Formats: sequence, structure tokens, C-alpha cells
Amino acid sequence: GQQLNQSPQSMFIQEGEDVSMNCTSSSIFNTWLWYKQEPGEGPVLLIALYKAGELTSNGRLTAQFGITRKDSFLNISASIPSDVGIYFCAGQRKGGSEKLVFGKGTKLTVNP
Amino acid sequence: DAGVIQSPRHEVTEMGQEVTLRCKPISGHNSLFWYRQTMMRGLELLIYFNNNVPIDDSGMPEDRFSAKMPNASFSTLKIQPSEPRDSAVYFCASSLGQGDIYEQYFGPGTRLTVT
Repeated sequence: GQQLNQSPQSMFIQEGEDVSMNCTSSSIFNTWLWYKQEPGEGPVLLIALYKAGELTSNGRLTAQFGITRKDSFLNISASIPSDVGIYFCAGQRKGGSEKLVFGKGTKLTVNP
Repeated sequence: DAGVIQSPRHEVTEMGQEVTLRCKPISGHNSLFWYRQTMMRGLELLIYFNNNVPIDDSGMPEDRFSAKMPNASFSTLKIQPSEPRDSAVYFCASSLGQGDIYEQYFGPGTRLTVT
């Protein structure tokens, strides 16, 4: 079935550093979503992208919908300890149903 | 507004017992999704409903699993009989389910342990 390749799997960074992670697919997507999950909680929606080339910010977070519609990236600037968690990308496939395809996640650790 | 509500938050049961997980979607949302999350397999979609009707249940593992949505504000996921391999975190999510808006909002999950 269709898959999203999310990388990196994990990141260990120092507080204050910038972070970048991305998702790629062989399929075209209409929508890209980025979620953050903290231990013991459900994924929380961070950013939603609906147009190819769209660049959207939410505070220190910036995400882009790739121009080919097959990829997306998420950047976090000036990381802080509360940024720790697992970040998931999710896509809604062009011509598909409401189902989302999820990446495997990027586990972020921020050292104070 | 309240988010997606799930109960119980934790469930420990013995193999062979029936387990029922409950979900209340966000008011006004027309689509509801049940997911299972494990370390090995990540987030897996089990089933989703639109306007209380099951649309896609291809992710339901086997006949031991069943889901219902009797009205717009309530859904259940039942496992009967439960097995140790069903141990996982089960999430419910809801979305507007109209137009081209595909943002799903997740509940806090139910952590199920089957011994």
C-alpha cells in the first residue's frame, strides 16, 4: 500500500538549534498535515497544508507543501525543551477518500 | 469547545474478556476514525464513519473487532474475545467530513493491556 517515508527517525539536538524533518511519497497528495505526539497523549494537529508550494507558519514552526505534491517538510526554529515529542506527517491522497496515510514519525529530543 | 473524548483512558483485562472502548467526537464533526498505535506498526486506521455510516473497515484486524456509531455523538469499538496481541493504544479522531477539509483531531487514547 501507499507509504510516507519520514526522516529522520530520531533527532538529538541542543536547545536553541533549528530542526528540519521531511516526508516523501511516490504518490501525489492533496493535503499534508503535521502532528506532534507527547507521551501518554494523542497526536495534536500543528499545521495543515492544502496547496502545492504553500508555506505556513505556526509560531516557531514552519511547514511547506512540496511543489511536486509528493513531499512536505517541517522546520522548528530555536528549539526549546518542550518541543520534545514525536512528530508525524500525514497525507490525504489525491483522488482518495478521507483516509490519512501517516509517516512513522520523527522522535525529537532537546537537550537543555 | 471540548475535544474528542475517549473512555476509559486505561483498560487492563484478561484474555478472552470483552472490551468496549468509547468515543465522543467533536460536536459538529461528521467523520469519526478509530486507530490503533503500537511500536511495531505505528498508527493504523481500523475503521472510519461518515454521518454515522461505516465507510471503510478494511483495517479491522478480524471478526473479533467490531465498531458502531449509533448517533453523531457516540461510537464504540468492541473486541470480543480479547487477546494479548490486541494490547495497544486505541485512538479515536474526528473531522469535519465535508468539502476538502481533512484535518483530523485525536482524542487522548485508551491504553489497552490484555494479559
